[in-house]
Amino acid sequence: QEQLQESGPGLVKPSETLSLTCTVSGGSISRSSYYWGWIRQSPGKGLEWIGTIYSSGTTYYNPSLRSRVTVSVDMSKNQFSLRLSSVTAADTAVYYCVSSVFREVQVDFWGRGTLVTVSS
Amino acid sequence: IVLTQSPATLSLSPGERATLSCRASHSVSTYLAWYQQKPGQAPRLLIYDASSRATGIPARFSGSGSGTDFTLTISSLEPEDFAVYYCQQRSNWPSIAFGQGTRLEIK
Repeated sequence: QEQLQESGPGLVKPSETLSLTCTVSGGSISRSSYYWGWIRQSPGKGLEWIGTIYSSGTTYYNPSLRSRVTVSVDMSKNQFSLRLSSVTAADTAVYYCVSSVFREVQVDFWGRGTLVTVSS
Repeated sequence: IVLTQSPATLSLSPGERATLSCRASHSVSTYLAWYQQKPGQAPRLLIYDASSRATGIPARFSGSGSGTDFTLTISSLEPEDFAVYYCQQRSNWPSIAFGQGTRLEIK
């Protein structure tokens, strides 16, 4: 069974860029039909989908965040990453990396989540 | 598509039956899942495709509905079932949207 683990700074200053990495173990990130993504959870906005990537590099973003988000994949390290630019306090949340199978409804696997606080 | 869950909070006792509702602003067919979340943990998948139980989920959990109205039923509450429950739709793959959650608390 695959496992996902988020890593990155827990504190980011306003206007800077949030960067997180998800390391996948127990399976190759290049597996056919597997998609990799990010979801965040804040008290004010609940659970919010940020974006999804396939191993080919094709990306899909939440329209409300598209202008600030980049999701990328590094197959040599079996990792994928999130960059969110120009952060504000509203971006303070627990960030989860997740995986899904193509065309399935559910999110199959979740990382444990990492709290990122935006504050000076 | 917006998902609206009701009630926001449900107070019940162990052994009672819990009925949680999720309503979609437009039809999502059966592209709906349910999750359970406990404090400090990631959401745990319970139900997918509106009515299919995920691996290892006890039979007391069941899901029903299609289109715009969905229900998660817990037939007889166990102490470990008190948590927050979310519905999630994915009618426009791969985008994901969640309801705001129902908190199931011990009465």
